Amino acid sequence: DVKVTQSSRYLVKRTGEKVFLECVQDMDHENMFWYRQDPGLGLRLIYFSYDVKMKEKGDIPEGYSVSREKKERFSLILESASTNQTSMYLCASSRSGARGDEQFFGPGTRLTVL
Amino acid sequence: GIQVEQSPPDLILQEGANSTLRCNFSDSVNNLQWFHQNPWGQLINLFYIPSGTKQNGRLSATTVATERYSLLYISSSQTTDSGVYFCAVEHNDMRFGAGTRLTVKP
Repeated sequence: DVKVTQSSRYLVKRTGEKVFLECVQDMDHENMFWYRQDPGLGLRLIYFSYDVKMKEKGDIPEGYSVSREKKERFSLILESASTNQTSMYLCASSRSGARGDEQFFGPGTRLTVL
Repeated sequence: GIQVEQSPPDLILQEGANSTLRCNFSDSVNNLQWFHQNPWGQLINLFYIPSGTKQNGRLSATTVATERYSLLYISSSQTTDSGVYFCAVEHNDMRFGAGTRLTVKP
């Protein structure tokens, strides 16, 4: 079974802090994704990566950056956290370099920025 | 971009009842998945079904790609089926519907 893990289930940070959300998958997947989920807005893609050191912007990249130094790990970085980044963050991975493959999700990190 | 609409937005069932959830999408897709989000926020893969019909226990799904819709059937519902069900489609990128919130009462 594919396993996607995220470093924290719950996180509370203060405005202006630098925040790292880590995601690790154990199935040698090429593609990895970061989404945020907000009431009334559904899931929205922040960034994705289709290979090590490669990244592409999703729908809402502003205020975020990502890092993919190793194939199994995809980090989401909030350079200076703001209250409007309070959200549920979900990481996902999929198998091949081709688009359209099945995505598997981690358990999510609920981030609160005070 | 592609539009994804799910219906109904909310559904309340008695345990043991059957239900059908619908996902309509506005363009051709490479991928369609159904997820169940449990009360803890985890998205659980139910089906990867860009076309055709699949069954897994009490759940089944059908996607008619030419008519741009997919259906998720839940039979003999249980309280543990409660949660939000999402349809997600991939066109240029992955797009999620707003979800159907299912509540199964004992």
